[in-house]
Amino acid sequence: GAVVSQHPSRVICKSGTSVKIECRSLDFQATTMFWYRQFPKQSLMLMATSNEGSKATYEQGVEKDKFLINHASLTLSTLTVTSAHPEDSSFYICSAPTQGHNTEAFFGQGTRLTVV
Amino acid sequence: AQSVTQLGSHVSVSEGALVLLRCNYSSSVPPYLFWYVQYPNQGLQLLLKYTTGATLVKGINGFEAEFKKSETSFHLTKPSAHMSDAAEYFCAVSPLNSGNTPLVFGKGTRLSVIA
Repeated sequence: GAVVSQHPSRVICKSGTSVKIECRSLDFQATTMFWYRQFPKQSLMLMATSNEGSKATYEQGVEKDKFLINHASLTLSTLTVTSAHPEDSSFYICSAPTQGHNTEAFFGQGTRLTVV
Repeated sequence: AQSVTQLGSHVSVSEGALVLLRCNYSSSVPPYLFWYVQYPNQGLQLLLKYTTGATLVKGINGFEAEFKKSETSFHLTKPSAHMSDAAEYFCAVSPLNSGNTPLVFGKGTRLSVIA
């Protein structure tokens, strides 16, 4: 199946700094990618939809200025957590659906962000 | 709007016993249904999916699920649990076979397998 690569898998940063998470579709083009956040022992919460060449669409309650999304090419979307705080610590997962008749969503490996 | 309910946040079975993870959905249009498995600190791996056609769907690792429209259910089963099946399982629904539509996930069920 298709491969979605997410990097880094784990990052620790200091409060106030910014962290960039990359999501790449390795063997297919993704005009749309989804970013999810997962709290411990909870389900995935959709944060935003990343659209290649246009602005991301954010879910209600998600701060656009805090979670910057850039989808600069058909294979790369980035999520930047700006001015990170401890409450931003979480597991972030991206997903890229394939196109065509039988679409399927493929997920990255996830990024464990810890803000200290 | 679509929604997914997974009954039981935690299921514990003995090794070799039947695994049954329940999933009920709500959808205003014919749904596409998925089961994903997540191991600690990892992304999601697709176990199986139902789009159209045969309602009994076979997936990887011996899992299968049956789409029952009358019951709005898509329960996941495996005849004999293995220790390696211990993980978090998520049921998800998509309203359309469209790449631009995000999945809606249930809250997940943690499966524990006892030796």
